[in-house]
Formats: sequence, structure tokens, C-alpha cells
Amino acid sequence: GAVVSQHPSWVICKSGTSVKIECRSLDFQATTMFWYRQFPKQSLMLMATSNEGSKATYEQGVEKDKFLINHASLTLSTLTVTSAHPEDSSFYICSSEFRDKNNIQYFGAGTRLSVL
Amino acid sequence: QKEVEQDPGPLSVPEGAIVSLNCTYSNSAFQYFMWYRQYSRKGPELLMYTYSSGNKEDGRFTAQVDKSSKYISLFIRDSQPSDSATYLCAMSGSGNTPLVFGKGTRLSVIA
Repeated sequence: GAVVSQHPSWVICKSGTSVKIECRSLDFQATTMFWYRQFPKQSLMLMATSNEGSKATYEQGVEKDKFLINHASLTLSTLTVTSAHPEDSSFYICSSEFRDKNNIQYFGAGTRLSVL
Repeated sequence: QKEVEQDPGPLSVPEGAIVSLNCTYSNSAFQYFMWYRQYSRKGPELLMYTYSSGNKEDGRFTAQVDKSSKYISLFIRDSQPSDSATYLCAMSGSGNTPLVFGKGTRLSVIA
């Protein structure tokens, strides 16, 4: 299957700092990338849909000023958690949609964020 | 009624057993059906992809889609401890419609 690279895999930061997570589509061009959040033993919660060259579309209840998404190229999307607080600690996962494969999404390995 | 229903389990089976995982859905527009496997603290990995109704087999895994009943299944034959993971069903309609995920079923295969 297609490869999506996500890093860092684990980050620990102090409260009030910002953290950037990168998601790269390595072997195909991803016009659409998705960002999910997952709490322990819970399912994936879609945070936002990111389209190359345009503003991200955020799901209801997700603060766009808190979770900044940039999709500047067809292979790279970034999620920045601004002024992180302990309640932002979670597992963040990105995915890329391979249009030629009819809506299949390929996922990155995820980033575990711990805010102290 | 939620769009996609999936029993969260946990489901515990002995090694070698046949495992049956299921999802039901309410949106008749869904055409693309997927099963993902997610190990703890890892991203989901695509296992099976099926378009419309029918069966698809890949090694020990078989995916079935019954659109008339709005019911999809994943069968795992000769289950192994390495199959222990959370299995998520996902589905979507045509075009730009987003994937809708089930909550996932936690499976443990005991040696």
C-alpha cells in the first residue's frame, strides 16, 4: 500500500508551547489529507480535512486557531498545536487520500503528544 | 441511529479460531467498504477494500459486503496472536464524501 510518513512519533512539551506535526505522502500526490485525534481505547475523531493550496475544513467543535493546518504542497501537510495544554495530550494521526483508489485513506503511524 | 455501528468488544478467542467481525450501517449511498487494523499506539493499516456487494479474499482474511442488509463482515481464519489488534470498518459514498469509521472492535487472540 501507499506510504504516509508522520513525525515525530512522540513528543513531550511544556504547557504553553507549540508543537508541529508533519505528514508526508511519500509515493503519491495527495490532494486531500486528513487529521484525526484519538483518545485511549476510543475511535478516530476527524479534526479537519486539508486540501492542497486552500484552507482546511474543520469539524464542528475543533478550534481552528488552536490547531493550525497547512497543506502547502501535494505531499506535505502539517498540524501545529498552538499553546498546548495538558488537555491537548492525545494521539494525532494523519491520512492521505489516494483518489485513484476510490476514497481509500492511508494513515501515518501517528504522533503521541504529551503536554506537561 | 449512528451511521456505522460496530461492537467494540473486547473479543477474545483462542489461537487458530475463526474470527468474525461485523459492522452495520444505515446510509444506502455507501459504496466503498474498508477494514483497517490498528495496533496499540500505531496508525490504522488498510487490510481489505471492497467496492459494492460481494466477497473478497486475501490470505487468511475474507471481507463480505451485503448491501441489501447494510451489513459487512471480516473473517479471519486460523487466527494468530499477532492478529490481536483493533479492527475498524470504514465506508463512504462516491465522489468526495468522507470516510465514516466504526468505533473499532478490540480483538485478542490467546496462544
